[in-house]
Amino acid sequence: AQSVTQLDSHVSVSEGTPVLLRCNYSSSYSPSLFWYVQHPNKGLQLLLKYTSAATLVKGINGFEAEFKKSETSFHLTKPSAHMSDAAEYFCVVSGTWGTASKLTFGTGTRLQVTL
Amino acid sequence: GAGVSQTPSNKVTEKGKYVELRCDPISGHTALYWYRQSLGQGPEFLIYFQGTGAADDSGLPNDRFFAVRPEGSVSTLKIQRTERGDSAVYLCASSLRTAGDTQYFGPGTRLTVL
Repeated sequence: AQSVTQLDSHVSVSEGTPVLLRCNYSSSYSPSLFWYVQHPNKGLQLLLKYTSAATLVKGINGFEAEFKKSETSFHLTKPSAHMSDAAEYFCVVSGTWGTASKLTFGTGTRLQVTL
Repeated sequence: GAGVSQTPSNKVTEKGKYVELRCDPISGHTALYWYRQSLGQGPEFLIYFQGTGAADDSGLPNDRFFAVRPEGSVSTLKIQRTERGDSAVYLCASSLRTAGDTQYFGPGTRLTVL
């Protein structure tokens, strides 16, 4: 079975400084990995998606993530945080073969951005 | 275009009552998913429809939970004999075709069982 572990439940950064949200995955096969963002009282929005093409994936709003098979990691980064980035971020892995429809979410990382 | 919509946005009910939660997927999307998000947790998969049929219902916690999608568009999640532990945000998502396509989520229905 596949799973993801988000290593930090809460991250606080100053506006204009880099963001790093950490995620490790476990999967028997080459996984599809995602990062979703959830702003308060809004639906989940896809930031980016990895599906075994380029290992460095660029997403929306300046976010990117790098798939590292040797480290089983898929960390999310952004060079410069903006106040509007404050939200809950979820690392997600999809199932394989017959369960590819099923998304398995991590427990989330709350990103706080301060002035 | 319109995204995934869910009604009601909030539902308060009493223990033991029956509730129905509705999801309108993006027009033309054949795949529809239900997830449940408890406080402080990530969403958990409940059920996946491809067209009118439930292709994977392995996430439904017990037989009090049931979902239908009779015409391959709108879906209803039904919960019988609600329990306080059913309190959560119920999320619906849809994707264009099938597994591997990006899932687009609705805003959710917050269910509170008193």
